[in-house]
Amino acid sequence: AQKVTQAQTEISVVEKEDVTLDCVYETRDTTYYLFWYKQPPSGELVFLIRRNSFDEQNEISGRYSWNFQKSTSSFNFTITASQVVDSAVYFCALSEARGFGNEKLTFGTGTRLTIIP
Amino acid sequence: DSGVTQTPKHLITATGQRVTLRCSPRSGDLSVYWYQQSLDQGLQFLIQYYNGEERAKGNILERFSAQQFPDLHSELNLSSLELGDSALYFCASSVGEALFGELFFGEGSRLTVL
Repeated sequence: AQKVTQAQTEISVVEKEDVTLDCVYETRDTTYYLFWYKQPPSGELVFLIRRNSFDEQNEISGRYSWNFQKSTSSFNFTITASQVVDSAVYFCALSEARGFGNEKLTFGTGTRLTIIP
Repeated sequence: DSGVTQTPKHLITATGQRVTLRCSPRSGDLSVYWYQQSLDQGLQFLIQYYNGEERAKGNILERFSAQQFPDLHSELNLSSLELGDSALYFCASSVGEALFGELFFGEGSRLTVL
């Protein structure tokens, strides 16, 4: 069974500090997909990134970067120079690519990030 | 705006009642997913439909049912409601049947059972 662990329940940092959100996953499949979603106070879930299991390249998008390490089953998310608008709950998620008819996202419990102005 | 529309946004009802949550996927998306977000269970996958057919089932209770109509909108029916059913129910859509791309989530329907 697949599992996603976000050990950090809540993190608070002062604005402009860098912050890393941890995500550790478990799966028996060799082909899978990892995701990060953001849930701002308004409640909707916003897609941030998808990474497949064969692509271990780190990705950077503006102030956001992701570090995928298969050796440690981790997919960590770093926000550089944090801003108040980054305050949200962040979810890491895993999908095993079983083909038609059996896809679902398994979410971690989320990390509530608060950026203090 | 994800393009996924959910109604109603808020719903308050009593135990034992039945409610229907509605979801319109993004234009062109054939897959619809339902998720439940509660404080104690987190985000749980309930069920997926693709082009009108059920494709995957998660932790959906027997008191809950869903369907996807020919116009691709979907409804989640919750019956014999219990206090523990109070949660935020999300609908999401994606283009294809397989989950290789991103899911676009609606803003959710917040259900409160009193």
